[in-house]
Amino acid sequence: AQSVSQHNHHVILSEAASLELGCNYSYGGTVNLFWYVQYPGQHLQLLLKYFSGDPLVKGIKGFEAEFIKSKFSFNLRKPSVQWSDTAEYFCAVNARGNNRLAFGKGNQVVVIP
Amino acid sequence: KAGVTQTPRYLIKTRGQQVTLSCSPISGHRSVSWYQQTPGQGLQFLFEYFSETQRNKGNFPGRFSGRQFSNSRSEMNVSTLELGDSALYLCASSLDSSGDRGVNEKLFFGSGTQLSVL
Repeated sequence: AQSVSQHNHHVILSEAASLELGCNYSYGGTVNLFWYVQYPGQHLQLLLKYFSGDPLVKGIKGFEAEFIKSKFSFNLRKPSVQWSDTAEYFCAVNARGNNRLAFGKGNQVVVIP
Repeated sequence: KAGVTQTPRYLIKTRGQQVTLSCSPISGHRSVSWYQQTPGQGLQFLFEYFSETQRNKGNFPGRFSGRQFSNSRSEMNVSTLELGDSALYLCASSLDSSGDRGVNEKLFFGSGTQLSVL
């Protein structure tokens, strides 16, 4: 079964700072990779996904993530955060051909104006 | 297009009771999955239904069960509730138009049902 690790559960940043959230997974086969975001009081929304092709994936709201297969990683980045990026961010993985998602524990990100 | 709808939004039950949660997927979506979200364990997969059949199951005890109806709406049931069952229960739907899990699908989540067991 797949497992996902996210470090630095709580992250506090000032506006305009850069953000990088780490995500490592363990699974020997082909995977699909996702980042989901949960804004305060809202449901989980897909930020970006990687199925195949260019390992650098661009998502909504200026976020991007890079899949490094050799490192089993899919780190999320944003060059300059805004107060509205305050949210919980979840990395998720599923084995190709299986809708069962394994989630990391999440990163609670607080952006201070 | 309406999103994934879960009812009720909040539930309070006592130990030993049972509970039924409901999920209406996005129109046309055929796959429905359920997840449990707690502060300690994060999001954990419960089960997935497709065409009224359980297609995938997580590592939860038999007290957790579900079903899917012909219109793709799904229910999950938890019997003999325990304090540790207090959680946000999330439903997610996906199109999966071919029924082939080799097709990589995006999940759309509902807002969840917050269950508190006293």
